[in-house]
Order: sequence, then structure tokens, then C-alpha cells
Amino acid sequence: QTVVTQEPSLTVSPGGTVTLTCASSTGAVTSGHAPNWFQQKPGQVPRALIYSTNNKHSWTPARFSGSLLGGKAALTLSGVQPEDEGDYYCLLYHNGAPEFGGGTKLTVL
Amino acid sequence: EVQLVESGGGLVQPGGSLRLSCAASGFTFSSFWMHWVRQAPGRGLVWVSHINPDGTTTDYADSVKGRFTVSRDNAKNTLFLQINSLRVDDTAVYYCGRINYPGDTWGQGTLVTVSS
Repeated sequence: QTVVTQEPSLTVSPGGTVTLTCASSTGAVTSGHAPNWFQQKPGQVPRALIYSTNNKHSWTPARFSGSLLGGKAALTLSGVQPEDEGDYYCLLYHNGAPEFGGGTKLTVL
Repeated sequence: EVQLVESGGGLVQPGGSLRLSCAASGFTFSSFWMHWVRQAPGRGLVWVSHINPDGTTTDYADSVKGRFTVSRDNAKNTLFLQINSLRVDDTAVYYCGRINYPGDTWGQGTLVTVSS
């Protein structure tokens, strides 16, 4: 069974930059895994931020960017805002079947 | 406006069944792969199942294979999830969603509680 791994938690200061990563137990993450990133705040429905590695939705703030970095998928937040605090989930496709990572709890402090 | 509205959740005893529905509007439903994702209380997101645009291809997470069946009615713009042999660990909010497309959207979710 494929396992997708994210950092359990990260802390960043307001205005700072942070990178969240998403690794696959099968090896290096590529664009073929079509990485997606989602944000979820307490009590809310998850909201899509990035699809197919680095594509933003119309509502995705410019400070969010997706990439491939060191064999992993990455989500970088530049100029972090207090409202960015929440849980972030990546999703990877393996042989056509999606799998979520365990999520990263981002604290802005 | 793209919208997905789930229904059909509720309290059910272990071993019971439910049929979840997801009504879609605001987009050409029949053109998109559709997914079910669940989230147990206080836990992360778990992909459950997906179905291709014409309903001929489906796939499931190992934890639900043989118990869950996804289907769709493109004439009625509706996605379904038949869940059988429910277990306590199936307790979760079930979301339907359109994933990996521009303008992805998720429904508000429907809560399934499995308890005796």
C-alpha cells in the first residue's frame, strides 16, 4: 500500500516563508503524480489550492505556489498571513488512484 | 456557480447500509471524474472512491473494497455511494468532490455515524 508523508506540524512567523512537502513511499514524486494541495480550517470544508503540481485555482492567493523539490511535491507560502493557519493536505495519484497525505498543521505565530 | 450537495448520511448500526447522494449543479457533470472522500472526527482526509465521466470505471480504497459501490446518473447530475456492512470505523463526514481540475469544488459533506 502506498503511503504519502507530510510533516505533521510546522510553525512560521507572520510575513515569513514556509515550505510544506509531500513524499511518496514509491519513490520520487513527479508531475505524473499530479500533486494537489488542499487547505482546511477548523470546522470548514477543505478548499483546493493547487492542482497538477503548480496550477492555482482562481481563488488561490498569489502567496501560495506549488512545485517539485528534491523528489517531493512542495507547497510554499511566501509572506504568510495569520489566516493561513490551518491544516494542509497533499494528494498524489499512484497508478490512477489518489492518496492523501496525513496532513500538516501549520501554526502562524 | 459550481455546487455539490451531499445527502443521505445518518446514524446506522454496525452491519447496516446507507446510500449517499451528491447533487451537482453549475457545471457539465457528465464530463468529470468524481470522487468521494471521508474524514473521521479529528482525523485527516481519506480518499474513498472515484468514478470516470461515463460511469464505466471505478476504483476504491482498500479499506472499503467489496463494501462500497460508487455510481452516477448523468441524466440527473447525481453521484451515489452505496455503503454496506458498515463498521464503527466508517464513522466520518463523507464529501463528494471534483478533484484535479481548474475550479475544483467539494460539497459540505454528510455525516455517517455507525454505532449500536
